[in-house]
Amino acid sequence: NAGVMQNPRHLVRRRGQEARLRCSPMKGHSHVYWYRQLPEEGLKFMVYLQKENIIDESGMPKERFSAEFPKEGPSILRIQQVVRGDSAAYFCASSTSPQSSGNTIYFGEGSWLTVV
Amino acid sequence: GQQLNQSPQSMFIQEGEDVSMNCTSSSIFNTWLWYKQDPGEGPVLLIALYKAGELTSNGRLTAQFGITRKDSFLNISASIPSDVGIYFCAGQGAQKLVFGQGTRLTINP
Repeated sequence: NAGVMQNPRHLVRRRGQEARLRCSPMKGHSHVYWYRQLPEEGLKFMVYLQKENIIDESGMPKERFSAEFPKEGPSILRIQQVVRGDSAAYFCASSTSPQSSGNTIYFGEGSWLTVV
Repeated sequence: GQQLNQSPQSMFIQEGEDVSMNCTSSSIFNTWLWYKQDPGEGPVLLIALYKAGELTSNGRLTAQFGITRKDSFLNISASIPSDVGIYFCAGQGAQKLVFGQGTRLTINP
């Protein structure tokens, strides 16, 4: 049973470049969530997606950040024109149904973005 | 927005000691979760609590969902070296988890 798969695990980008983080949810899971973790902090919600739909993006910065979960393929978190403050660990999680139903969600191992 | 206050921020204990940490919130949550995160890894679910007042165990771990639904605690009995890591509480709100700041556990052999 494959868990939530994220890649790349580590990514280094220069300021101004684009970062693309990919997440393949667990088999049978159609709900995907992205969280960001700054050093020495807890995880902060960014966005919740179902297939082809963004359900809640209240945690996404207004500019430069976007997310998608297409009908086929992994969910993508895209950060354009990265700045040093974007350096963080980005975690993807998935579930079979919305978190609000009490269903357990499972986290991937994260993608560590470093902006130099 | 919703916030969780987790304490203590860090703990330094001897192997074999018991550990207790807790989370409080100004908001009500319908579900409380406790996760452990090792360096360079994602959070791993330890215990999920779904009912106010619920007391649940998982091996040496015990967690309780407060009656007011605004707090939860996690106890670890007879700590061992592999318990080292960062422990996070999380409250499940509408469609998202709200995480505490974490408790970093260090164990002296």
